Parts: sequence; C-alpha cells; structure tokens
Amino acid sequence: EVQLVESGGGVIQTGGSLRLSCAASAFSISTNHMSWVRQTPGEGLRWVSIIYKGSYIYYADSVGGRFTVSRDSSTNTLYLQMDSLRVEDTAVYYCARVSAEYFDLWGQGTLVTVSS
Amino acid sequence: QSALTQPASVSGSPGQTITMSCTGTSSDIGSYQLVSWYQQHPGKAPRLIIYEVNKRPSGLSNRFSGSKSGNTASLTISGLQAEDESVYHCCTYAGRSSWLFGGGTRLTVL
Repeated sequence: EVQLVESGGGVIQTGGSLRLSCAASAFSISTNHMSWVRQTPGEGLRWVSIIYKGSYIYYADSVGGRFTVSRDSSTNTLYLQMDSLRVEDTAVYYCARVSAEYFDLWGQGTLVTVSS
Repeated sequence: QSALTQPASVSGSPGQTITMSCTGTSSDIGSYQLVSWYQQHPGKAPRLIIYEVNKRPSGLSNRFSGSKSGNTASLTISGLQAEDESVYHCCTYAGRSSWLFGGGTRLTVL
C-alpha cells in the first residue's frame, strides 16, 4: 500500500531540537518531490519545506535557518531536523508527496508541542 | 506572503449545491493555474480533491469541481451528501518553490 507514516513528534522546550521522520511505502522518495506541511488550530495548513528529487531544497521564511530537510534512500525515509524551536512551531507536521505543484499523498501527521 | 482567504464556514442541505471561495492576489492565485483543494475530516490527514484548478484525481466523484477567476478560486460541491461534511483547504503554488494555503472552510451539511 502506498503510504507515508510520520513519527518523532513530542513535547520539547523552547530552544530545543527535534527530528521528525516520514517512512514511505510502495514508492521511492528519491524519485519523487517531498514536502513538509504543518497545521495549527488557529492558522490552518502552512507549507514548510520541499526537497526535490534532484536534491534542491527550499524552506518557508518562518523556518529557514532553523529547519533542515533530508532523506535516506536506503531506508526510504524523509527527515525534518528542527532546531531552535519556538512556541509558534507548535503544530501537527505532515509529510506529503508532491506531484507537479500539488500534494497528492499525505501522512497521518505527528504532533510537535513547544513549551516555554 | 499572506495566507489565502477562505470563509470560515459554509452550509447546505443534502442534495443542494454549494460553492466556497479562496481569495489570493495577482502574485499567487492570479499568476498560476496551480490551485489545489484538500478535504480533511476531523483527526485525519488532508486528501487531494482538486488540482490544477479544475482537475479531479482518478476515482473522485464528479460532484466536486473547481474553477478560478482572477485572484479567486472556487470549489463547488453538487448533490451535497452527509459524508461531505468536512474542512476544505485551498492551496496555490506561489512561485520560487513555495506554496500558500488558506485557513480552511468548514462545510456543514444541515
């Protein structure tokens, strides 16, 4: 079954770090573009980053310099390293496969709570 | 870049047709034919229902349709059914490898 499964969320204090994982099944993340999208109750969905199959990487201004996306082809897993976390980074984080310029497959999400 | 603007809620009775809007600017929605829509049931992941303004993924009901005029995109659901009750998110490619989402519209089937 084609699916994405995120893990790694939890409660972390302001300034801390956390690494999220997204395990893909039945397709290769290396031959697809992959993104991270987050969701807060008050703001809805917000795009976070994209890693193209050609390895170009882009970030939203709100996380650039603090978040790093990477992938491991051997385990077919996408990662999001989050450093210098802020209260406003609290959200459910989804990984998503990108087809052309839309998100055609989403994981179930993992909750990150940053406390002060 | 600001988020796209969606109404907080819309409602309709079973069998009716509803339309919800998604407003951006000439720099995002107005510049690209790359609007997509996602349906999200409570506690679930978003699901793609419309891409490239008016295309439906394979297997999706033709009761869902999309359109765009200027800086505003619209999602229309005809023959409303109870299972359509959900939150709908619009999204557009915004250039320079970035995307914008709306705040989401909650659809209530009366």
